[in-house]
Amino acid sequence: DTGVSQDPRHKITKRGQNVTFRCDPISEHNRLYWYRQTLGQGPEFLTYFQNEAQLEKSRLLSDRFSAERPKGSFSTLEIQRTEQGDSAMYLCASSWSGSSDTQYFGPGTRLTVL
Amino acid sequence: DAKTTQPPSMDCAEGRAANLPCNHSTISGNEYVYWYRQIHSQGPQYIIHGLKNNETNEMASLIITEDRKSSTLILPHATLRDTAVYYCIVSPSAGGTSYGKLTFGQGTILTVHP
Repeated sequence: DTGVSQDPRHKITKRGQNVTFRCDPISEHNRLYWYRQTLGQGPEFLTYFQNEAQLEKSRLLSDRFSAERPKGSFSTLEIQRTEQGDSAMYLCASSWSGSSDTQYFGPGTRLTVL
Repeated sequence: DAKTTQPPSMDCAEGRAANLPCNHSTISGNEYVYWYRQIHSQGPQYIIHGLKNNETNEMASLIITEDRKSSTLILPHATLRDTAVYYCIVSPSAGGTSYGKLTFGQGTILTVHP
């Protein structure tokens, strides 16, 4: 089963360090999404790509966050100068743009900023 | 995007049907009803979605009222592994301005008891 995969699954870092997460979508999916989930809350939308184009970004995506999908396949999410408030689960989802755009999620990357 | 209202928690006995309600009284004509669930520390899992008609798959059934203002997710024979947070989401179909973004609420915590 080639579902959505994310790497790493867990990341512990010190405040001020940069971190990068990777997402590999389901191979035939042209849309890719990033969400963030803090403890006790539902996932919150961060950004999404159709192919290599970043089509929407949430206000949650501050200047310290950047996402790329250079060849329309895998995507990376980088957080610069991490803060304790960035501690969360970062989720990636992918879909095929069609009549219902059903999104399938990966297992997430749990970030802890000390 | 239309908002949804779900009870914060529900209990169900193992082997019995679990019926999870969702109100979406402001749903638009082109918005689908999606259900996802999230087991602790995992990414959300797609369950089912529908537009107007009732839907059934190997996991669950979705009953949408004729006026589309509410729906019910039915797990016909709940098991302990169905204990999770269940999210009801409405999302536009292709072409909508919010297409591609899922807005999660607090969901319903379903606990299945032995």
